[in-house]
Amino acid sequence: SQKIEQNSEALNIQEGKTATLTCNYTNYSPAYLQWYRQDPGRGPVFLLLIRENEKEKRKERLKVTFDTTLKQSLFHITASQPADSATYLCALDENGGFKTIFGAGTRLFVKA
Amino acid sequence: DTEVTQTPKHLVMGMTNKKSLKCEQHMGHRAMYWYKQKAKKPPELMFVYSYEKLSINESVPSRFSPECPNSSLLNLHLHALQPEDSALYLCASSQEMTANTEAFFGQGTRLTVV
Repeated sequence: SQKIEQNSEALNIQEGKTATLTCNYTNYSPAYLQWYRQDPGRGPVFLLLIRENEKEKRKERLKVTFDTTLKQSLFHITASQPADSATYLCALDENGGFKTIFGAGTRLFVKA
Repeated sequence: DTEVTQTPKHLVMGMTNKKSLKCEQHMGHRAMYWYKQKAKKPPELMFVYSYEKLSINESVPSRFSPECPNSSLLNLHLHALQPEDSALYLCASSQEMTANTEAFFGQGTRLTVV
Protein backbone atom coordinates (compact mmCIF):
# COMPACT_ATOMS: atom_id res chain seq x y z
CA SER A 1 0.00 0.00 0.00
CA GLN A 2 1.00 3.63 -0.37
CA LYS A 3 3.33 5.14 2.23
CA ILE A 4 3.84 8.87 2.78
CA GLU A 5 7.07 10.20 4.24
CA GLN A 6 7.37 13.66 5.72
CA ASN A 7 10.28 14.92 7.77
CA SER A 8 9.44 14.17 11.39
CA GLU A 9 11.99 16.68 12.62
CA ALA A 10 10.67 20.19 13.16
CA LEU A 11 11.75 22.90 10.77
CA ASN A 12 12.90 26.14 12.40
CA ILE A 13 13.29 29.23 10.24
CA GLN A 14 13.59 32.97 10.66
CA GLU A 15 10.69 35.28 9.83
CA GLY A 16 10.84 36.51 6.25
CA LYS A 17 12.64 33.43 4.92
CA THR A 18 11.14 30.77 2.68
CA ALA A 19 10.10 27.53 4.33
CA THR A 20 10.32 24.38 2.21
CA LEU A 21 8.64 21.17 3.33
CA THR A 22 8.98 17.79 1.62
CA CYS A 23 6.51 15.00 1.00
CA ASN A 24 7.70 11.72 -0.51
CA TYR A 25 5.55 8.77 -1.42
CA THR A 26 6.73 5.26 -2.00
CA ASN A 27 4.40 3.50 -4.37
CA TYR A 28 2.28 4.52 -7.35
CA SER A 29 1.89 8.16 -8.29
CA PRO A 30 -1.36 9.59 -6.98
CA ALA A 31 -3.77 11.44 -9.21
CA TYR A 32 -4.05 14.20 -6.63
CA LEU A 33 -1.92 15.49 -3.80
CA GLN A 34 -3.11 17.89 -1.15
CA TRP A 35 -1.52 19.98 1.59
CA TYR A 36 -3.23 20.81 4.88
CA ARG A 37 -2.29 22.93 7.87
CA GLN A 38 -3.03 21.66 11.39
CA ASP A 39 -2.73 23.66 14.61
CA PRO A 40 -2.38 21.81 17.95
CA GLY A 41 -5.63 20.16 19.07
CA ARG A 42 -7.55 21.32 15.99
CA GLY A 43 -8.67 19.77 12.73
CA PRO A 44 -6.63 20.11 9.52
CA VAL A 45 -7.38 23.02 7.20
CA PHE A 46 -7.09 22.56 3.43
CA LEU A 47 -4.46 24.69 1.67
CA LEU A 48 -3.77 23.47 -1.87
CA LEU A 49 -4.50 20.58 -4.22
CA ILE A 50 -2.27 19.70 -7.17
CA ARG A 51 -3.04 17.17 -9.90
CA GLU A 52 -0.54 14.71 -11.39
CA ASN A 53 -0.44 16.61 -14.69
CA GLU A 54 0.37 19.90 -12.94
CA LYS A 55 3.97 20.74 -12.10
CA GLU A 56 3.27 23.69 -9.86
CA LYS A 57 0.40 25.43 -8.07
CA ARG A 58 0.42 28.78 -6.29
CA LYS A 59 -1.86 30.54 -3.84
CA GLU A 60 -0.74 33.83 -2.33
CA ARG A 61 2.52 33.06 -0.43
CA LEU A 62 2.16 29.30 -0.94
CA LYS A 63 3.61 27.21 -3.73
CA VAL A 64 3.38 23.47 -4.29
CA THR A 65 5.34 21.40 -6.78
CA PHE A 66 4.69 17.82 -7.84
CA ASP A 67 7.42 15.64 -9.38
CA THR A 68 6.10 12.21 -10.31
CA THR A 69 9.57 11.06 -11.38
CA LEU A 70 11.04 11.76 -7.95
CA LYS A 71 7.74 10.74 -6.24
CA GLN A 72 7.91 13.98 -4.33
CA SER A 73 5.99 17.16 -3.58
CA LEU A 74 7.55 20.31 -2.19
CA PHE A 75 5.56 22.91 -0.26
CA HIS A 76 6.96 26.42 -0.02
CA ILE A 77 5.88 29.34 2.15
CA THR A 78 7.56 32.56 1.07
CA ALA A 79 8.04 35.56 3.37
CA SER A 80 7.19 33.33 6.33
CA GLN A 81 5.56 34.80 9.43
CA PRO A 82 5.29 33.54 13.02
CA ALA A 83 1.58 32.93 12.32
CA ASP A 84 2.64 30.28 9.79
CA SER A 85 3.92 28.12 12.66
CA ALA A 86 1.91 24.90 12.53
CA THR A 87 2.10 21.29 11.36
CA TYR A 88 1.76 20.81 7.61
CA LEU A 89 0.27 17.54 6.37
CA CYS A 90 0.63 16.04 2.94
CA ALA A 91 -2.29 13.91 1.72
CA LEU A 92 -2.90 11.86 -1.39
CA ASP A 93 -5.45 9.56 -2.92
CA GLU A 94 -5.60 5.82 -2.57
CA ASN A 95 -8.05 3.08 -3.42
CA GLY A 96 -8.80 4.34 -6.88
CA GLY A 97 -9.20 7.89 -5.69
CA PHE A 98 -11.97 7.22 -3.19
CA LYS A 99 -9.84 7.55 -0.11
CA THR A 100 -7.38 10.17 1.11
CA ILE A 101 -4.44 9.14 3.29
CA PHE A 102 -2.30 11.55 5.29
CA GLY A 103 1.34 11.85 6.18
CA ALA A 104 2.32 12.46 9.79
CA GLY A 105 3.22 16.06 8.98
CA THR A 106 6.18 18.36 9.55
CA ARG A 107 6.13 20.90 12.36
CA LEU A 108 7.19 24.38 11.26
CA PHE A 109 8.36 27.05 13.69
CA VAL A 110 8.86 30.58 12.37
CA LYS A 111 10.83 32.81 14.73
CA ALA A 112 10.30 36.56 14.86
CA ASP B 1 -21.46 28.41 6.10
CA THR B 2 -18.25 26.46 5.54
CA GLU B 3 -18.07 24.88 8.95
CA VAL B 4 -18.12 21.36 10.21
CA THR B 5 -19.31 21.38 13.80
CA GLN B 6 -18.38 18.61 16.22
CA THR B 7 -19.74 18.07 19.71
CA PRO B 8 -18.61 17.63 22.36
CA LYS B 9 -15.15 19.19 22.19
CA HIS B 10 -13.91 17.05 25.07
CA LEU B 11 -15.21 13.75 26.42
CA VAL B 12 -14.02 11.56 29.28
CA MET B 13 -15.70 8.17 29.51
CA GLY B 14 -15.28 4.95 31.43
CA MET B 15 -14.74 1.63 29.73
CA THR B 16 -18.32 0.54 30.46
CA ASN B 17 -19.98 3.76 29.25
CA LYS B 18 -21.93 4.40 26.08
CA LYS B 19 -21.49 7.80 24.47
CA SER B 20 -21.93 9.42 21.07
CA LEU B 21 -19.94 11.94 19.07
CA LYS B 22 -21.87 14.23 16.77
CA CYS B 23 -20.94 16.03 13.57
CA GLU B 24 -22.94 18.46 11.47
CA GLN B 25 -22.37 20.28 8.17
CA HIS B 26 -24.64 22.49 6.07
CA MET B 27 -22.54 22.82 2.94
CA GLY B 28 -24.56 20.26 0.99
CA HIS B 29 -21.64 17.85 0.99
CA ARG B 30 -22.53 14.27 0.13
CA ALA B 31 -19.49 12.59 1.67
CA MET B 32 -18.74 12.54 5.40
CA TYR B 33 -15.83 10.95 7.22
CA TRP B 34 -14.62 9.91 10.64
CA TYR B 35 -10.88 10.00 11.34
CA LYS B 36 -8.93 9.06 14.46
CA GLN B 37 -5.70 10.90 15.28
CA LYS B 38 -3.15 10.08 17.96
CA ALA B 39 -0.51 12.61 19.03
CA LYS B 40 2.16 13.24 16.36
CA LYS B 41 0.49 10.73 14.03
CA PRO B 42 -1.49 11.29 10.83
CA PRO B 43 -5.29 11.24 10.84
CA GLU B 44 -6.37 7.64 10.17
CA LEU B 45 -9.54 7.04 8.22
CA MET B 46 -12.22 5.05 10.06
CA PHE B 47 -15.45 5.38 8.07
CA VAL B 48 -16.76 7.08 4.95
CA TYR B 49 -20.40 7.77 4.18
CA SER B 50 -21.42 8.70 0.66
CA TYR B 51 -24.99 9.81 0.03
CA GLU B 52 -25.87 8.65 3.54
CA LYS B 53 -24.66 5.09 2.89
CA LEU B 54 -21.61 3.55 4.54
CA SER B 55 -19.06 3.17 1.75
CA ILE B 56 -15.79 2.50 3.56
CA ASN B 57 -15.17 0.82 6.91
CA GLU B 58 -11.44 0.55 7.56
CA SER B 59 -11.80 -2.63 9.64
CA VAL B 60 -12.74 -0.59 12.69
CA PRO B 61 -13.65 -2.58 15.86
CA SER B 62 -17.38 -2.94 16.45
CA ARG B 63 -17.17 -0.90 19.65
CA PHE B 64 -17.25 2.06 17.23
CA SER B 65 -20.58 2.30 15.42
CA PRO B 66 -21.20 5.05 12.84
CA GLU B 67 -24.59 6.41 11.88
CA CYS B 68 -25.69 8.91 9.23
CA PRO B 69 -29.27 9.98 10.06
CA ASN B 70 -29.41 12.45 7.16
CA SER B 71 -27.16 14.23 4.70
CA SER B 72 -26.11 16.86 7.26
CA LEU B 73 -25.48 14.71 10.32
CA LEU B 74 -22.95 12.05 11.23
CA ASN B 75 -22.72 10.27 14.56
CA LEU B 76 -20.17 7.94 16.07
CA HIS B 77 -21.54 5.72 18.83
CA LEU B 78 -19.01 4.49 21.36
CA HIS B 79 -19.40 1.47 23.63
CA ALA B 80 -16.98 -0.51 25.79
CA LEU B 81 -13.95 1.42 24.66
CA GLN B 82 -10.39 0.74 25.77
CA PRO B 83 -7.85 3.27 27.09
CA GLU B 84 -5.90 2.93 23.83
CA ASP B 85 -8.93 4.39 22.02
CA SER B 86 -8.13 7.75 23.61
CA ALA B 87 -7.42 10.13 20.72
CA LEU B 88 -8.67 13.15 18.78
CA TYR B 89 -11.67 12.12 16.67
CA LEU B 90 -12.14 14.23 13.59
CA CYS B 91 -15.16 14.53 11.37
CA ALA B 92 -14.79 15.81 7.81
CA SER B 93 -16.96 16.38 4.78
CA SER B 94 -16.41 16.91 1.06
CA GLN B 95 -18.61 17.49 -1.96
CA GLU B 96 -18.19 13.94 -3.18
CA MET B 97 -16.33 10.83 -2.07
CA THR B 98 -13.27 11.42 -4.21
CA ALA B 99 -9.79 12.59 -3.36
CA ASN B 100 -9.84 15.43 -5.89
CA THR B 101 -11.83 17.78 -3.69
CA GLU B 102 -10.86 19.48 -0.49
CA ALA B 103 -12.07 18.09 2.80
CA PHE B 104 -13.45 20.35 5.49
CA PHE B 105 -12.61 19.19 8.99
CA GLY B 106 -14.28 19.90 12.29
CA GLN B 107 -12.34 20.94 15.39
CA GLY B 108 -12.41 17.41 16.69
CA THR B 109 -13.49 15.70 19.90
CA ARG B 110 -10.70 14.97 22.36
CA LEU B 111 -11.69 11.59 23.82
CA THR B 112 -10.15 10.16 26.98
CA VAL B 113 -11.09 6.62 28.03
CA VAL B 114 -10.43 5.88 31.71
